[in-house]
Amino acid sequence: AQSVTQPDIHITVSEGASLELRCNYSYGATPYLFWYVQSPGQGLQLLLKYFSGDTLVQGIKGFEAEFKRSQSSFNLRKPSVHWSDAAEYFCAVGPNAGGTSYGKLTFGQGTILTVHP
Amino acid sequence: DTGVSQDPRHKITKRGQNVTFRCDPISEHNRLYWYRQTLGQGPEFLTYFQNEAQLEKSRLLSDRFSAERPKGSFSTLEIQRTEQGDSAMYLCASSSFPWGGGGKDTQYFGPGTRLTVL
Repeated sequence: AQSVTQPDIHITVSEGASLELRCNYSYGATPYLFWYVQSPGQGLQLLLKYFSGDTLVQGIKGFEAEFKRSQSSFNLRKPSVHWSDAAEYFCAVGPNAGGTSYGKLTFGQGTILTVHP
Repeated sequence: DTGVSQDPRHKITKRGQNVTFRCDPISEHNRLYWYRQTLGQGPEFLTYFQNEAQLEKSRLLSDRFSAERPKGSFSTLEIQRTEQGDSAMYLCASSSFPWGGGGKDTQYFGPGTRLTVL
């Protein structure tokens, strides 16, 4: 069964500082990988996704993520954080094979990002 | 706005009552997913539809839960005899599943329905 671990429940950074949110997954092969962001009381917004190809993926709002097969990781990064980035971030994996299991996402527990002015 | 919409946004009910939520997917998306998110947790898969066919249900979906997508467009999720443990955010997502595309499916989420069972 697939699983996702986000080791950091809460991260605090200063505005303008760089950011890295960690995500590790467990899956028998290379899964499909996603990062979503959720503001309080809201739904999830897709930041970026990885299906195949270039392991460095660019997303919206200046975010990027790098897939590292050897480490089973898909960490999210941003070079300079803005106060509006404060939210909760979820990493998710989806199977890349399995008939009707396609698309069934498994999410991590989430990382809450606080941005200090 | 042509995103995923959900109604109601908030629902407060008493234990034992039935509730129904509606999800309208992005137009022409063939897949529709339901997830449940409890406080401090990531969303958990409940069920999904390919057009009007319900293809998979999680074991989280007890027999008190039923979901439909009668014409392959909007979907409803009904919870009968609600319990306090049902209090959660219920999220709907839709996608345009690319048959023959290796399952490279991208899900777009709605704003969710927050259910509180008293």
